[in-house]
Amino acid sequence: DTAVSQTPKYLVTQMGNDKSIKCEQNLGHDTMYWYKQDSKKFLKIMFSYNNKELIINETVPNRFSPKSPDKAHLNLHINSLELGDSAVYFCASSQVASLTGELFFGEGSRLTVL
Amino acid sequence: DAKTTQPPSMDCAEGRAANLPCNHSTISGNEYVYWYRQIHSQGPQYIIHGLKNNETNEMASLIITEDRKSSTLILPHATLRDTAVYYCIGPGGGKLIFGQGTELSVKP
Repeated sequence: DTAVSQTPKYLVTQMGNDKSIKCEQNLGHDTMYWYKQDSKKFLKIMFSYNNKELIINETVPNRFSPKSPDKAHLNLHINSLELGDSAVYFCASSQVASLTGELFFGEGSRLTVL
Repeated sequence: DAKTTQPPSMDCAEGRAANLPCNHSTISGNEYVYWYRQIHSQGPQYIIHGLKNNETNEMASLIITEDRKSSTLILPHATLRDTAVYYCIGPGGGKLIFGQGTELSVKP
């Protein structure tokens, strides 16, 4: 069983399109995250949810909208995709609500915007 | 935010100990130091964390200096599968902030 699973693993799309990436964790964790890893390999936190409530919202364009239907799921919807959105997006979860501690990451979703 | 400094790359011979240093001189007294690694094309993987005492688990050992300004991650018997980018992280603002890490190459 995969602890943190993301779909799709690869996504290729045109500029201006809208796309979603889904994330599910079966670890019973209360906190989930989205990280972005750009071409320079920097991992940056984008959002964090604790028990369906948004607790971290970094400086991310409004085109990015996370949605957490329940504490086991955190989806990322991106509107009007731009070339600069090309990156690998990682979902993660943690047991503790203090936003630090051991994070469990998914395998990533590689988004390519043409 | 606790900033960390790591060498960009290191080599290690297979079977030998890999010692990965990290400077975190701005870390505050109650902040833990975390280590993660990222094997190519995979998600980051937690290794170990510590506050001021040395820590050991099945993956690695963490040695933290008494002044807490630096630490060393030790992989006692490196294997080819340990080739990865290793991140030393000092949390800031309640978040884990990843730097550039050290790219460790384990060579036969």
